[in-house]
Amino acid sequence: GAGVSQSPSNKVTEKGKDVELRCDPISGHTALYWYRQSLGQGLEFLIYFQGNSAPDKSGLPSDRFSAERTGGSVSTLTIQRTQQEDSAVYLCASSPLRTPSSEAFFGQGTRLTVV
Amino acid sequence: GDSVTQMEGPVTLSEEAFLTINCTYTATGYPSLFWYVQYPGEGLQLLLKATKADDKGSNKGFEATYRKETTSFHLEKGSVQVSDSAVYFCALSDREGNYQLIWGAGTKLIIKP
Repeated sequence: GAGVSQSPSNKVTEKGKDVELRCDPISGHTALYWYRQSLGQGLEFLIYFQGNSAPDKSGLPSDRFSAERTGGSVSTLTIQRTQQEDSAVYLCASSPLRTPSSEAFFGQGTRLTVV
Repeated sequence: GDSVTQMEGPVTLSEEAFLTINCTYTATGYPSLFWYVQYPGEGLQLLLKATKADDKGSNKGFEATYRKETTSFHLEKGSVQVSDSAVYFCALSDREGNYQLIWGAGTKLIIKP
Protein backbone atom coordinates (compact mmCIF):
# COMPACT_ATOMS: atom_id res chain seq x y z
CA GLY A 1 0.00 0.00 0.00
CA ALA A 2 0.92 3.65 -0.02
CA GLY A 3 3.54 4.96 2.35
CA VAL A 4 3.37 8.00 4.59
CA SER A 5 2.38 11.03 2.56
CA GLN A 6 3.20 14.61 3.53
CA SER A 7 2.09 17.84 1.92
CA PRO A 8 3.19 20.26 0.78
CA SER A 9 6.67 19.01 -0.04
CA ASN A 10 7.98 22.57 0.02
CA LYS A 11 6.57 25.69 1.62
CA VAL A 12 7.96 29.19 1.54
CA THR A 13 6.17 31.62 3.82
CA GLU A 14 6.65 35.12 5.08
CA LYS A 15 7.61 35.72 8.68
CA GLY A 16 4.50 36.15 10.80
CA LYS A 17 2.21 34.03 8.64
CA ASP A 18 0.57 30.80 9.80
CA VAL A 19 1.29 27.49 8.05
CA GLU A 20 -0.34 24.07 8.10
CA LEU A 21 1.56 20.90 7.35
CA ARG A 22 -0.29 17.70 6.60
CA CYS A 23 0.58 14.07 7.22
CA ASP A 24 -1.32 11.07 5.89
CA PRO A 25 0.01 7.96 7.68
CA ILE A 26 -0.07 4.39 6.51
CA SER A 27 -3.59 3.02 6.91
CA GLY A 28 -4.03 1.18 10.18
CA HIS A 29 -0.99 2.67 11.89
CA THR A 30 -2.06 3.84 15.32
CA ALA A 31 1.09 5.70 16.34
CA LEU A 32 2.07 8.92 14.59
CA TYR A 33 5.11 11.10 15.29
CA TRP A 34 6.21 14.53 14.13
CA TYR A 35 9.92 15.38 14.03
CA ARG A 36 11.87 18.42 12.92
CA GLN A 37 15.19 18.23 11.11
CA SER A 38 17.27 21.36 11.04
CA LEU A 39 20.22 21.75 8.69
CA GLY A 40 23.12 19.54 9.73
CA GLN A 41 21.36 18.25 12.82
CA GLY A 42 19.59 15.12 13.84
CA LEU A 43 15.87 14.83 14.19
CA GLU A 44 14.12 16.59 17.04
CA PHE A 45 10.96 15.02 18.45
CA LEU A 46 7.94 17.34 18.42
CA ILE A 47 4.80 15.39 19.27
CA TYR A 48 3.35 11.91 19.38
CA PHE A 49 -0.20 10.67 18.76
CA GLN A 50 -1.71 7.39 19.82
CA GLY A 51 -4.97 7.26 17.90
CA ASN A 52 -6.38 10.78 18.08
CA SER A 53 -4.90 11.73 21.41
CA ALA A 54 -1.54 13.34 22.01
CA PRO A 55 -0.34 12.24 25.43
CA ASP A 56 3.03 13.91 24.98
CA LYS A 57 3.31 17.47 23.68
CA SER A 58 6.53 18.20 25.50
CA GLY A 59 8.62 18.44 22.35
CA LEU A 60 6.70 21.33 20.83
CA PRO A 61 9.16 24.24 20.85
CA SER A 62 6.64 26.94 21.74
CA ASP A 63 2.92 27.64 22.04
CA ARG A 64 2.97 28.76 18.40
CA PHE A 65 3.10 25.08 17.50
CA SER A 66 0.05 22.85 17.68
CA ALA A 67 -1.04 19.58 16.12
CA GLU A 68 -4.13 17.50 15.81
CA ARG A 69 -5.10 14.14 14.43
CA THR A 70 -8.59 13.23 13.30
CA GLY A 71 -10.20 9.87 12.73
CA GLY A 72 -7.04 8.15 13.86
CA SER A 73 -5.56 9.03 10.50
CA VAL A 74 -4.59 12.41 9.03
CA SER A 75 -2.60 14.79 11.18
CA THR A 76 -1.90 18.48 10.75
CA LEU A 77 0.91 20.44 12.34
CA THR A 78 0.17 24.16 12.58
CA ILE A 79 2.76 26.84 13.17
CA GLN A 80 1.37 30.27 13.96
CA ARG A 81 3.21 33.53 13.45
CA THR A 82 6.15 31.77 11.84
CA GLN A 83 9.69 32.86 12.66
CA GLN A 84 12.88 32.36 10.68
CA GLU A 85 14.11 29.81 13.23
CA ASP A 86 11.13 27.63 12.28
CA SER A 87 12.78 26.94 8.91
CA ALA A 88 13.49 23.21 8.79
CA VAL A 89 12.29 19.95 7.31
CA TYR A 90 9.27 18.63 9.18
CA LEU A 91 8.99 14.86 9.10
CA CYS A 92 6.06 12.66 9.95
CA ALA A 93 6.36 8.98 10.82
CA SER A 94 3.83 6.29 11.64
CA SER A 95 4.10 2.89 13.30
CA PRO A 96 1.65 0.03 13.43
CA LEU A 97 2.31 -0.63 17.09
CA ARG A 98 3.46 1.38 20.04
CA THR A 99 6.47 -0.67 21.07
CA PRO A 100 10.10 0.31 21.55
CA SER A 101 11.24 -1.90 18.69
CA SER A 102 8.63 -0.91 16.14
CA GLU A 103 9.87 0.39 12.83
CA ALA A 104 8.89 3.95 12.07
CA PHE A 105 7.82 4.64 8.49
CA PHE A 106 8.66 8.15 7.37
CA GLY A 107 7.22 10.52 4.84
CA GLN A 108 9.52 12.57 2.64
CA GLY A 109 8.96 15.64 4.72
CA THR A 110 7.88 19.22 4.24
CA ARG A 111 10.71 21.69 3.75
CA LEU A 112 9.58 24.94 5.38
CA THR A 113 11.39 28.17 4.61
CA VAL A 114 10.43 31.31 6.47
CA VAL A 115 11.60 34.50 4.75
CA GLY B 1 18.42 12.33 29.30
CA ASP B 2 18.98 9.78 26.60
CA SER B 3 21.31 10.72 23.77
CA VAL B 4 23.05 9.35 20.70
CA THR B 5 26.45 10.39 19.41
CA GLN B 6 27.70 9.39 16.00
CA MET B 7 30.81 10.25 14.06
CA GLU B 8 30.75 13.43 12.09
CA GLY B 9 30.84 13.39 8.36
CA PRO B 10 31.20 13.53 5.59
CA VAL B 11 32.93 10.20 5.28
CA THR B 12 34.43 9.70 1.84
CA LEU B 13 35.53 6.26 0.70
CA SER B 14 36.41 4.52 -2.52
CA GLU B 15 34.21 1.75 -3.87
CA GLU B 16 34.87 -1.66 -2.24
CA ALA B 17 36.41 -0.06 0.85
CA PHE B 18 35.49 -1.18 4.38
CA LEU B 19 33.06 1.08 6.20
CA THR B 20 32.65 1.82 9.89
CA ILE B 21 30.39 4.55 11.22
CA ASN B 22 30.66 4.85 14.99
CA CYS B 23 27.62 5.28 17.20
CA THR B 24 27.49 5.41 20.99
CA TYR B 25 24.52 6.04 23.20
CA THR B 26 23.50 7.07 26.69
CA ALA B 27 20.27 5.65 28.09
CA THR B 28 18.90 4.96 31.53
CA GLY B 29 17.06 1.83 30.47
CA TYR B 30 17.61 -0.87 27.87
CA PRO B 31 16.83 0.75 24.54
CA SER B 32 16.26 -0.66 21.12
CA LEU B 33 18.86 0.58 18.65
CA PHE B 34 18.38 1.48 15.01
CA TRP B 35 20.20 2.62 11.93
CA TYR B 36 18.12 4.61 9.46
CA VAL B 37 19.30 5.70 6.02
CA GLN B 38 18.27 8.63 3.86
CA TYR B 39 19.20 8.25 0.21
CA PRO B 40 19.32 11.41 -1.92
CA GLY B 41 15.82 12.64 -2.66
CA GLU B 42 14.17 9.94 -0.58
CA GLY B 43 12.63 9.67 2.87
CA LEU B 44 14.21 8.06 5.91
CA GLN B 45 14.00 4.30 5.96
CA LEU B 46 14.99 1.66 8.44
CA LEU B 47 18.26 -0.05 7.58
CA LEU B 48 18.60 -2.40 10.55
CA LYS B 49 17.83 -2.71 14.24
CA ALA B 50 18.71 -4.63 17.39
CA THR B 51 16.53 -4.91 20.44
CA LYS B 52 18.79 -6.41 23.11
CA ALA B 53 22.42 -6.76 24.09
CA ASP B 54 24.60 -8.84 21.75
CA ASP B 55 21.93 -8.84 19.02
CA LYS B 56 23.27 -8.22 15.54
CA GLY B 57 21.14 -6.38 13.03
CA SER B 58 21.92 -6.85 9.35
CA ASN B 59 20.54 -5.76 5.99
CA LYS B 60 21.92 -5.04 2.51
CA GLY B 61 25.41 -6.13 3.61
CA PHE B 62 25.42 -3.74 6.57
CA GLU B 63 25.79 -5.01 10.13
CA ALA B 64 25.70 -3.54 13.61
CA THR B 65 26.03 -5.29 16.98
CA TYR B 66 24.37 -4.04 20.17
CA ARG B 67 27.26 -3.74 22.66
CA LYS B 68 25.91 -2.97 26.12
CA GLU B 69 29.35 -2.96 27.76
CA THR B 70 30.58 -0.19 25.47
CA THR B 71 27.13 1.35 24.84
CA SER B 72 27.84 1.21 21.13
CA PHE B 73 26.10 0.23 17.90
CA HIS B 74 28.68 0.78 15.18
CA LEU B 75 27.61 0.32 11.56
CA GLU B 76 29.90 -1.74 9.31
CA LYS B 77 30.00 -2.95 5.73
CA GLY B 78 32.76 -4.98 4.19
CA SER B 79 32.67 -3.54 0.67
CA VAL B 80 30.77 -0.34 -0.07
CA GLN B 81 29.24 0.60 -3.40
CA VAL B 82 28.49 3.95 -4.98
CA SER B 83 24.80 3.26 -4.34
CA ASP B 84 25.48 3.29 -0.58
CA SER B 85 26.06 7.05 -0.72
CA ALA B 86 23.51 8.48 1.68
CA VAL B 87 23.09 9.98 5.14
CA TYR B 88 23.06 7.41 7.95
CA PHE B 89 21.35 8.07 11.29
CA CYS B 90 21.80 6.11 14.49
CA ALA B 91 18.83 6.21 16.87
CA LEU B 92 17.49 4.66 20.03
CA SER B 93 14.04 4.00 21.38
CA ASP B 94 13.79 3.75 25.12
CA ARG B 95 11.42 1.35 26.80
CA GLU B 96 9.93 4.17 28.83
CA GLY B 97 7.77 7.00 27.65
CA ASN B 98 6.39 7.24 24.15
CA TYR B 99 9.07 5.24 22.38
CA GLN B 100 9.93 8.21 20.24
CA LEU B 101 13.29 7.90 18.58
CA ILE B 102 16.30 9.78 19.93
CA TRP B 103 18.62 10.57 17.02
CA GLY B 104 22.25 11.11 16.29
CA ALA B 105 23.14 14.03 14.03
CA GLY B 106 23.63 11.84 10.96
CA THR B 107 26.73 10.92 8.98
CA LYS B 108 26.93 11.68 5.28
CA LEU B 109 28.66 8.90 3.37
CA ILE B 110 30.15 9.58 -0.06
CA ILE B 111 31.41 6.65 -2.10
CA LYS B 112 33.61 7.45 -5.09
CA PRO B 113 33.91 5.04 -8.02
